[in-house]
Amino acid sequence: GAGVSQSPRYKVAKRGQDVALRCDPISGHVSLFWYQQALGQGPEFLTYFQNEAQLDKSGLPSDRFFAERPEGSVSTLKIQRTQQEDSAVYLCASSLGTPSYEQYFGPGTRLTVT
Amino acid sequence: EDQVTQSPEALRLQEGESSSLNCSYTVSGLRGLFWYRQDPGKGPEFLFTLYSAGEEKEKERLKATLTKKESFLHITAPKPEDSATYLCAVQPPRSTLTFGKGTMLLVSP
Repeated sequence: GAGVSQSPRYKVAKRGQDVALRCDPISGHVSLFWYQQALGQGPEFLTYFQNEAQLDKSGLPSDRFFAERPEGSVSTLKIQRTQQEDSAVYLCASSLGTPSYEQYFGPGTRLTVT
Repeated sequence: EDQVTQSPEALRLQEGESSSLNCSYTVSGLRGLFWYRQDPGKGPEFLFTLYSAGEEKEKERLKATLTKKESFLHITAPKPEDSATYLCAVQPPRSTLTFGKGTMLLVSP
C-alpha cells in the first residue's frame, strides 16, 4: 500500500517568503505528526493532529508556523516570513491511532531559506 | 524533561563484525521505546517498539532490548546494506516522540 507522501520534496525560499508543505498520510490513519529535523540531529516534534483536531502544537517554534488538517486527512504546514533558521527537513508521520502505535514517516521536505 | 542520549555518535564496522548501539533515556512514564532506521535523504523507517523492561524483539540481523534506563540495538554479522543512521525515540504518556540524535553506522565490505 501507499506510504506517507510529502510535497514538494525540495523547496528553496527567499527570506521573508511564505511556504506551504503538504502531507498525505496513510489512508485510515487517525493521527498525524509534523517534525523538524536539522542536519545531524534527530527529528524534533512540532505538532500533532487526531483527525482534524490539533491536539498539541507545543513544538511549533514561533507564531510564524501554522498547521492544519481540515478534513482529517491531508495536512499542510505553513511557514510565514521564512527565516534562515527555518532551513531544515520537515517530516510528516502518521499512525493508526493513539497512543503507542508506530508512526510511519514520509520522505520529508527539505526547506532551504536563502 | 524527557531526554534521549545515543552512543556512539558514529560507528564503523567490518562486514560480519557484531556490535551494539546504546540508547539511554529519562522519561516521565515510558509508554514505548521505538527504534528507527534512516537512510540519507529519506524519512525514518520503523524497526521496533518495546514497551517494558526485559522485552526483546528481533528482525533479521537486529535485536532490540530494553531495561528501565536504556535500550540496546544489537547488530549480528552486519552487512554493508545495514549502513544507516539508527534513531531511538521514547514516548511519554502524551503521544509525541522524543528522539535522540542517532548513531551513524557504516559497515565496510
